[in-house]
Amino acid sequence: DGGITQSPKYLFRKEGQNVTLSCEQNLNHDAMYWYRQDPGQGLRLIYYSQIVNDFQKGDIAEGYSVSREKKESFPLTVTSAQKNPTAFYLCASSIVSDGDQPQHFGDGTRLSIL
Amino acid sequence: AQSVSQHNHHVILSEAASLELGCNYSYGGTVNLFWYVQYPGQHLQLLLKYFSGDPLVKGIKGFEAEFIKSKFSFNLRKPSVQWSDTAEYFCAVNAKNTGRRALTFGSGTRLQVQP
Repeated sequence: DGGITQSPKYLFRKEGQNVTLSCEQNLNHDAMYWYRQDPGQGLRLIYYSQIVNDFQKGDIAEGYSVSREKKESFPLTVTSAQKNPTAFYLCASSIVSDGDQPQHFGDGTRLSIL
Repeated sequence: AQSVSQHNHHVILSEAASLELGCNYSYGGTVNLFWYVQYPGQHLQLLLKYFSGDPLVKGIKGFEAEFIKSKFSFNLRKPSVQWSDTAEYFCAVNAKNTGRRALTFGSGTRLQVQP
């Protein structure tokens, strides 16, 4: 089955620690996205990538970093600079990044601070 | 920057009641509009979308939405809800010709349907 796989499902971070969330897709989609979901705030765009080796900041990129070395992979690193990282993180992909194509979402990673 | 407002944060209905969830956006240019749904324990999935043409769009599971350009609105409706419609609903907008090649989502509306 084609889809998006996010891992791990739950992640705990210690103060001052960087953590990396994995996102893999086998849909052959060019575009990939990372969102943060907080109660009452909906989905906020962190970063997106239109194509391999390219990515753009979204609305809340501070304290996060990404890479796109392979078409199927778009890992998100939550750095120690992100002061409020506790949230539900969603990865998505679409055929192309023109905003017209429906996005396919993963099941998410819930990050908590120890 | 464009924004999307969903004023109903939590809606509680009885089965067979009619549903209307509000969505307003702030961009004055051309837009593509979407409604996504997140059922409990499942991933977000597309409910319906509007690009152009007939402003009344029909989606899956009996949902429909109407684009009213003059009101910057894209409200979601269903004539008779079922318990299985319990979910969180998100409106999203793609503002064309802005250089931003990603959707802007609203804050979501949690719908609870009581049997």
